[in-house]
Amino acid sequence: QKEVEQDPGPLSVPEGAIVSLNCTYSNSAFQYFMWYRQYSRKGPELLMYTYSSGNKEDGRFTAQVDKSSKYISLFIRDSQPSDSATYLCAMGKTSYDKVIFGPGTSLSVIP
Amino acid sequence: GAVVSQHPSRVICKSGTSVKIECRSLDFQATTMFWYRQFPKQSLMLMATSNEGSKATYEQGVEKDKFLINHASLTLSTLTVTSAHPEDSSFYICSASRVAGQYDTQYFGPGTRLTVL
Repeated sequence: QKEVEQDPGPLSVPEGAIVSLNCTYSNSAFQYFMWYRQYSRKGPELLMYTYSSGNKEDGRFTAQVDKSSKYISLFIRDSQPSDSATYLCAMGKTSYDKVIFGPGTSLSVIP
Repeated sequence: GAVVSQHPSRVICKSGTSVKIECRSLDFQATTMFWYRQFPKQSLMLMATSNEGSKATYEQGVEKDKFLINHASLTLSTLTVTSAHPEDSSFYICSASRVAGQYDTQYFGPGTRLTVL
């Protein structure tokens, strides 16, 4: 079993839709969780990170963590064509430790 | 704040040559820096972890004699790909962890695209 699993997609949604992206993990030592967005041929861009179970909201983005189920989600409200990218979940024990990335989900938002 | 830069952003070299990639934390001190590699349509894979003033720790399967890492200061880490071959062509990305920030995150550079001919 891989440490971090993520549905690779591709996921295609109409503009304005709510997008749900999910990852599961197996290592209960992971304490902090991140979501990155990566456009083609660019480096990853940090969207959100959290150390807590529950929800964290930032604009149109909401990160949700359920440590008991080892399940994290990223919700994108009112999706825009500019949100079309690959979304990577990542997690680690602390910011000083290595980060393990999921394989990424490719998202296309159709105008 | 928390900006990480990489230089060069893109490099093309001939097979057999060595290439050095720099990773700098511009506005903070980084005790730990990480080097990742990303092949096309794949996710980021950690290559090594470097702490300032000590030897890097390499992930299983990464040749330490081929990928030389130096973390000479709290703001600079370098990755040298020695005797590069076409299979080393990849996107190399560094990240840095701030000195004071237990509940902080890592900050990633923009990446360096290496093409070996």
